[in-house]
Amino acid sequence: KNEVEQSPQNLTAQEGEFITINCSYSVGISALHWLQQHPGGGIVSLFMLSSGKKKHGRLIATINIQEKHSSLHITASHPRDSAVYICAVSRSGNQFYFGTGTSLTVIP
Amino acid sequence: NAGVTQTPKFQVLKTGQSMTLQCAQDMNHEYMSWYRQDPGMGLRLIHYSVGAGITDQGEVPNGYNVSRSTTEDFPLRLLSAAPSQTSVYFCASSYTPGHEQYFGPGTRLTVT
Repeated sequence: KNEVEQSPQNLTAQEGEFITINCSYSVGISALHWLQQHPGGGIVSLFMLSSGKKKHGRLIATINIQEKHSSLHITASHPRDSAVYICAVSRSGNQFYFGTGTSLTVIP
Repeated sequence: NAGVTQTPKFQVLKTGQSMTLQCAQDMNHEYMSWYRQDPGMGLRLIHYSVGAGITDQGEVPNGYNVSRSTTEDFPLRLLSAAPSQTSVYFCASSYTPGHEQYFGPGTRLTVT
């Protein structure tokens, strides 16, 4: 069983829609990370959070430590948001565990 | 700053050949790591380093070696390539384990 589970695996949305991607984890963590991987392959860190909520532009990430759950929201989605979004957790012991990613396609 | 650089971008090897994937960062990060990414699976940690001279194994270390002689460089060596090592390899760095990671552009390796 993977320590980090994401849903949905694939998501197609119309431009302008509000999007939610979910991440659940089963282990104790020091932080949770949201990453974005564009079709070209490069991976960029979007958020790192250990509690509460963070916002950057149209992206919002929340985490509920008690429920071991995090969500990534995209408001007013745009075709340039099309990418794979990856949830990862960092633990003591210097290791990261990654979800398999959510592939998002935003249609104009 | 160049960030994290990786070379080569693409590589084709025959079974049994050896090669080194290069990774360098110019951000003075102590923590560096190598991952492989395979279809349908999340990124998996191969090896990591918390500073020059210190390396340790990750989740899938078999068939790979690393060294960290300087803060900047963290090469990954494939000792005897196997088709199961066909994958996309990413190098990453951060100030400390658990902090925001910066990824290199990746190396697509095919072993025939």
